[in-house]
Amino acid sequence: ELKVEQNPLFLSMQEGKNYTIYCNYSTTSDRLYWYRQDPGKSLESLFVLLSNGAVKQEGRLMASLDTKARLSTLHITAAVHDLSATYFCAVDISSGAQKLVFGQGTRLTINP
Amino acid sequence: GAVVSQHPSWVICKSGTSVKIECRSLDFQATTMFWYRQFPKQSLMLMATSNEGSKATYEQGVEKDKFLINHASLTLSTLTVTSAHPEDSSFYICSARAPSTSVYEQYFGPGTRLTVT
Repeated sequence: ELKVEQNPLFLSMQEGKNYTIYCNYSTTSDRLYWYRQDPGKSLESLFVLLSNGAVKQEGRLMASLDTKARLSTLHITAAVHDLSATYFCAVDISSGAQKLVFGQGTRLTINP
Repeated sequence: GAVVSQHPSWVICKSGTSVKIECRSLDFQATTMFWYRQFPKQSLMLMATSNEGSKATYEQGVEKDKFLINHASLTLSTLTVTSAHPEDSSFYICSARAPSTSVYEQYFGPGTRLTVT
């Protein structure tokens, strides 16, 4: 059974600090996605990682993918309160047909 | 571009009634749409894949007779929750696959919150 596991599930941090969210998955895939969800809202796409070694950055967020280790990371640099949200990774298990399996989500709270 | 809408955004219904949720791709044609379900403080679970002009493909454990999906056009998919019960209360999110096969992405709707009393 495919598992997509995020770590940690809850994270409370201070503004200005750095931290990393990890996403491990148990099957072969070279397509991984990161999404943000605010309370009561739908998903906002953050990053699409399509190959081994892919690294993408947007503002204070950077995502990477290691398909051999079946691991993706979402790194937060100098966190600000506005980044407080739940972050999901998702793995395409259908070779590009977009059938996604989501991780449990990481609830991130950034305190002033 | 790539906007997906859902209607209604929230609905309250009585147990035993049916509820229809619409998912529309506003500025592109979507041959494939997806329906997800999210319980409070939990992750998204794929319920089914909806393909225009053909029957939906349901994930294991999802009752196809309870969750009726119709993808009648390239811009509209509907999810009907039949004989709803309180345990069907959830946040239902649809998404539409990007029209180009070289774009590996799907665009999410804003979600529909269903409460069954």
